[in-house]
Amino acid sequence: RKEVEQDPGPFNVPEGATVAFNCTYSNSASQSFFWYRQDCRKEPKLLMSVYSSGNEDGRFTAQLNRASQYISLLIRDSKLSDSATYLCVVNLYTGNQFYFGTGTSLTVIP
Amino acid sequence: GAGVSQSPSNKVTEKGKDVELRCDPISGHTALYWYRQSLGQGLEFLIYFQGNSAPDKSGLPSDRFSAERTGGSVSTLTIQRTQQEDSAVYLCASSLRDGGHYGYTFGSGTRLTVV
Repeated sequence: RKEVEQDPGPFNVPEGATVAFNCTYSNSASQSFFWYRQDCRKEPKLLMSVYSSGNEDGRFTAQLNRASQYISLLIRDSKLSDSATYLCVVNLYTGNQFYFGTGTSLTVIP
Repeated sequence: GAGVSQSPSNKVTEKGKDVELRCDPISGHTALYWYRQSLGQGLEFLIYFQGNSAPDKSGLPSDRFSAERTGGSVSTLTIQRTQQEDSAVYLCASSLRDGGHYGYTFGSGTRLTVV
């Protein structure tokens, strides 16, 4: 079983729509959680950390559900510039390795 | 520098040749990671350096792969006797401490093509 699993999509949504991605992780000892964004042929860039209480950054909201071992990313009022692949990342913290999901592809359509 | 710098940005090599990929992390970042990403695939962990500790080499796919980090700063990933399956984008990332609370910053990668 993979450490981190994401729905690869693609998600094609119109501008202004709200879209949500989920990601599940297998190790209940996981400590740190992140969402990264990766544009085509570019390196991943940190979008936001995910805190236990949930956190919001502008149009982006991240939530963590430890009981069900998943994290989510909600994007409101989608912009064309939001088109990218969104990577879910989990870290055990006690170990060295970050586990990356294979990413969810989002295309925002005019 | 302001970000993680990797060189070369692109490398085409013949099967069987050795290649060296370089990573210059953000100044002051003690943690350095190498990942690779094949076309349409997720990121695959290769190796992790933290300060002066012994590196975590658990992700290296074979003994043809090695990496070193001199002086706690610049790192070099070496692939000996390259094979076509080594073709991928090799990404380096650095972080304050172990990145557990901070995430990390990636370089723009080296796109390796073995022909």
